[in-house]
Amino acid sequence: DGGITQSPKYLFRKEGQNVTLSCEQNLNHDAMYWYRQDPGQGLRLIYYSQIVNDFQKGDIAEGYSVSREKKESFPLTVTSAQKNPTAFYLCASSPSTSGVFIGELFFGEGSRLTVL
Amino acid sequence: DAKTTQPNSMESNEEEPVHLPCNHSTISGTDYIHWYRQLPSQGPEYVIHGLTSNVNNRMASLAIAEDRKSSTLILHRATLRDAAVYYCILTLNRDDKIIFGKGTRLHILP
Repeated sequence: DGGITQSPKYLFRKEGQNVTLSCEQNLNHDAMYWYRQDPGQGLRLIYYSQIVNDFQKGDIAEGYSVSREKKESFPLTVTSAQKNPTAFYLCASSPSTSGVFIGELFFGEGSRLTVL
Repeated sequence: DAKTTQPNSMESNEEEPVHLPCNHSTISGTDYIHWYRQLPSQGPEYVIHGLTSNVNNRMASLAIAEDRKSSTLILHRATLRDAAVYYCILTLNRDDKIIFGKGTRLHILP
């Protein structure tokens, strides 16, 4: 079945460690997005990518990094520079972007990161 | 900035219609209006979208004001499974960000 897969679902990290969250889609979508969600809050955009080998910062990119080497994959690294990394992280994709109707956003099930 | 304004929470009785409002006064002529909903500990799921005309699908209806500065998501007969956070978002052609606000937390009373 087509969809978005995020892994791991739960992750624990010690302070000072980098951690990478995986996001893979087999929907052949051009655009992919990373959001962060804190308890009782909405989604905040971290990074997004419209095309392979290109990505842009969202509203809260500091302390995060991404890559888009393949169309299907958009991993997010939470670096030690992120001061409050404990959160629920959501990856999404959409068929198209930039000036045309983007289509429906498809979300993964999320990755819950806890810093100990 | 979220670009949309929604009430923080709403309450409705089971099996009654629910009207969820959204204000988007800075919408431009080519921005689409999307609605998503999020159940606890899950990613949001698509509900409906529209541009200018009212839209219906199996999940809900979307009523868009004539000036497009506001819209209303209509759940015709709420069930307990409709209890969720509902997000109204715009896909902005002025840039490629898709910004979610805090949404409306819908409580359904049995």
